Amino acid sequence: SYELTQPPSVSVSPGQTARITCSGDALPKQYAYWYQQKPGQAPVLVIYKDSERPSGIPERFSGSSSGTTVTLTISGVQAEDEADYYCQSADSSGTSRVFGGGTKLTVL
Amino acid sequence: EVQLVESGGGLVQPGGSLRLSCAASGFTFSSYWMSWVRQAPGKGLEWVANIKQDGSEKYYVDSVKGRFTISRDNAKNSLYLQMNSLRAEDTAVYYCARDYCSSTSCHGGWFDPWGQGTLVTVSS
Repeated sequence: SYELTQPPSVSVSPGQTARITCSGDALPKQYAYWYQQKPGQAPVLVIYKDSERPSGIPERFSGSSSGTTVTLTISGVQAEDEADYYCQSADSSGTSRVFGGGTKLTVL
Repeated sequence: EVQLVESGGGLVQPGGSLRLSCAASGFTFSSYWMSWVRQAPGKGLEWVANIKQDGSEKYYVDSVKGRFTISRDNAKNSLYLQMNSLRAEDTAVYYCARDYCSSTSCHGGWFDPWGQGTLVTVSS
């Protein structure tokens, strides 16, 4: 089955830039999406179609794509950004949605 | 305000059945694909199934095929997940989510918003 690979954890100090990667063979053909999940809460969409930001999401959140890797970038990280982040896409057929394993962002 | 509210979770024995419901409001339910996504305790997210606006297309993750059935009632603005032959590994919080398609064929898409989830525990 198709898999998306994320690093288990990323740590940054407040005000620095955090980059979370997600790799998958079908990413050149399928868009990627990113979700933020805080403890005890439902996930929230922060990036769609590789680099689009939904309304209400701070401008410090951005996304990019290059080949089989997509990247979520959080510029000027704040303490409130500490959360689990999940990438999501679809397999090459598009009929199965797939999530990455998640990355825990720690703000030092 | 767009809202999704799940119900129907609980404790069930292995081999048992459970039916989850999701009540939608604040948007035209019949215009959207819908999905179920689950999260085992302390684990990551796993897409379970989705269904087309009119119910004519349904897709499932391999691990639930033949055991789970997704359905909807557009007149009641409701989404359902019938879960049979439940296993311990089905223990999770089950989220209902609106499924946005990235193309007209819906070969790819994203979830927004999500409900708050309902916990299903499979244990003897």
